[in-house]
Amino acid sequence: KAGVTQTPRYLIKTRGQQVTLSCSPISGHRSVSWYQQTPGQGLQFLFEYFSETQRNKGNFPGRFSGRQFSNSRSEMNVSTLELGDSALYLCASSLRGSGRLPGTDTQYFGPGTRLTVL
Amino acid sequence: AQSVAQPEDQVNVAEGNPLTVKCTYSVSGNPYLFWYVQYPNRGLQFLLKYITGDNLVKGSYGFEAEFNKSQTSFHLKKPSALVSDSALYFCAATAGGSYIPTFGRGTSLIVHP
Repeated sequence: KAGVTQTPRYLIKTRGQQVTLSCSPISGHRSVSWYQQTPGQGLQFLFEYFSETQRNKGNFPGRFSGRQFSNSRSEMNVSTLELGDSALYLCASSLRGSGRLPGTDTQYFGPGTRLTVL
Repeated sequence: AQSVAQPEDQVNVAEGNPLTVKCTYSVSGNPYLFWYVQYPNRGLQFLLKYITGDNLVKGSYGFEAEFNKSQTSFHLKKPSALVSDSALYFCAATAGGSYIPTFGRGTSLIVHP
């Protein structure tokens, strides 16, 4: 089975621009979560999508948004980029779904998108 | 609120020696606990998890972890470290019906030849 893929792997943007990151989950996985990883803050949860609906949201400003398509692929958008948005953005997929105990699913991570804001 | 603590930013161990990476958690209800490893410029890879049952969980690459409910700990161990084990290790926990794991800040493991 193919793993989680993320595109692009690297991005360089300037302040004020916007950016869209893409994530393709493992086939059959219906949940996609996004995380921001920085040296200072560690791994911070952004949001989770399941069946095209945002189910959970972390404590990030409205500049960060996302969506999920019917094939479970997900995109994350950051508008009006700030220097502090420079980070590794990780996408993770998991099975989720009926009959599965909440919180027991393993998350499978993509390689990440390294965003640098100048 | 859930929290996960990894008290050591860095652990140094000589190749061939046993290694331990510590993790403690604070959650409401029964915890589900995970360990992930991250190599440079890569995403996190799943190592093992505890859901229920035997307190000693065996995972990938010879790693194991012991769930200790009284001490609210889930330390990662390996009997004999390899240089290739050098990486960043993350402990994570969920509980209380949450689908979203809380991650620790990570521990950098350095195995010296």
